[in-house]
Amino acid sequence: DVKVTQSSRYLVKRTGEKVFLECVQDMDHENMFWYRQDPGLGLRLIYFSYDVKMKEKGDIPEGYSVSREKKERFSLILESASTNQTSMYLCASSSNGGTEELFFGSGTQLSVL
Amino acid sequence: GIQVEQSPPDLILQEGANSTLRCNFSDSVNNLQWFHQNPWGQLINLFYIPSGTKQNGRLSATTVATERYSLLYISSSQTTDSGVYFCAVHDYGQNFVFGPGTRLSVLP
Repeated sequence: DVKVTQSSRYLVKRTGEKVFLECVQDMDHENMFWYRQDPGLGLRLIYFSYDVKMKEKGDIPEGYSVSREKKERFSLILESASTNQTSMYLCASSSNGGTEELFFGSGTQLSVL
Repeated sequence: GIQVEQSPPDLILQEGANSTLRCNFSDSVNNLQWFHQNPWGQLINLFYIPSGTKQNGRLSATTVATERYSLLYISSSQTTDSGVYFCAVHDYGQNFVFGPGTRLSVLP
């Protein structure tokens, strides 16, 4: 089974802190994604990556950056956390080999105080 | 871009009842998936179903790609079926587009 692991289930940070959210997948998937989910707004794509060291902006990249130094790991970085970045963050991965079925991690609930 | 709609937005059932959830999409797709988000936030893959019919236990799904819709059937519902059901489509572009979800509550 595909496993997508997010490093923290719950995270509490202070305004202005630099925050790292880590995501690791174990199925050699080329594609990795970061979404945030807010009540009433559904899932919104922040950034995605189709290969190591490649990154593309999604629909709401402002205030975020990403890093993909290794194929299995995709990190989301909040350079200076703000209260409006309090949200559920979901990492996902998929392969390029035909189906591109999307698999999600268990999510990180981030609270910025 | 492609639009995805889901209906109904909310559904309340008594345990043991059957239900049908619908996903409409506005353009051709090469991938359609159904997910269940449990109360703890985990998104669980239910079906990868760009066309045709699949069954997995009490759940089944049908996608009619030519008519741009997919249906998720839940039979003999259980309280553990509660949560939000999302469909997501991949439109030959780069990314997946998610519907707004159907929130299902199954009462004991």
